[in-house]
Amino acid sequence: DAGVIQSPRHEVTEMGQEVTLRCKPISGHDYLFWYRQTMMRGLELLIYFNNNVPIDDSGMPEDRFSAKMPNASFSTLKIQPSEPRDSAVYFCASSSSSDTQYFGPGTRLTVL
Amino acid sequence: DQQVKQNSPSLSVQEGRISILNCDYTNSMFDYFLWYKKYPAEGPTFLISISSIKDKNEDGRFTVFLNKSAKHLSLHIVPSQPGDSAVYFCAAPLGQNFVFGPGTRLSVLP
Repeated sequence: DAGVIQSPRHEVTEMGQEVTLRCKPISGHDYLFWYRQTMMRGLELLIYFNNNVPIDDSGMPEDRFSAKMPNASFSTLKIQPSEPRDSAVYFCASSSSSDTQYFGPGTRLTVL
Repeated sequence: DQQVKQNSPSLSVQEGRISILNCDYTNSMFDYFLWYKKYPAEGPTFLISISSIKDKNEDGRFTVFLNKSAKHLSLHIVPSQPGDSAVYFCAAPLGQNFVFGPGTRLSVLP
């Protein structure tokens, strides 16, 4: 298995633009997590899905953030409109029940 | 309130010596702990775990110690190697999610 795949690896955009981050979890994993890593706050959970259904989105910072999982092999995290304070590394991770999480390589987002 | 704390943001150790990374937690309901390792431009990868029914778990050069009464765990790496230079995260499951500490950057100097 190729592991968790994220795209793009780097994204540079201007304030106010829409940003879409993509994730393909490991096949067979039924949990998918979106994290954000910043220097100030470390790794923060934004949202996680179980069997494509959002379970806990309490970490989503505000309405500008949204996440979808239309099927078991694909998820998106969208920021609209983006702001400079959204600049961070965004990680996707997946796991099967009661197993450790496997992380993707991350997307480094820079909002100018 | 941070439930998992790593109070040392960075640590430097000479190659061949022991590295000790510390982690404290506040939630006494945690019954399982993990350490993740993260290289630059990569996602965190699982390193080693420990159940609360144990006080020690060893895997090669890596040993994790758990002191439940003190709500403290530590990761020992011996001997340290330059390739161990990375950020180390302590984590604990909360439901199906994991709560991560802020990480400690380890630098192993040749």
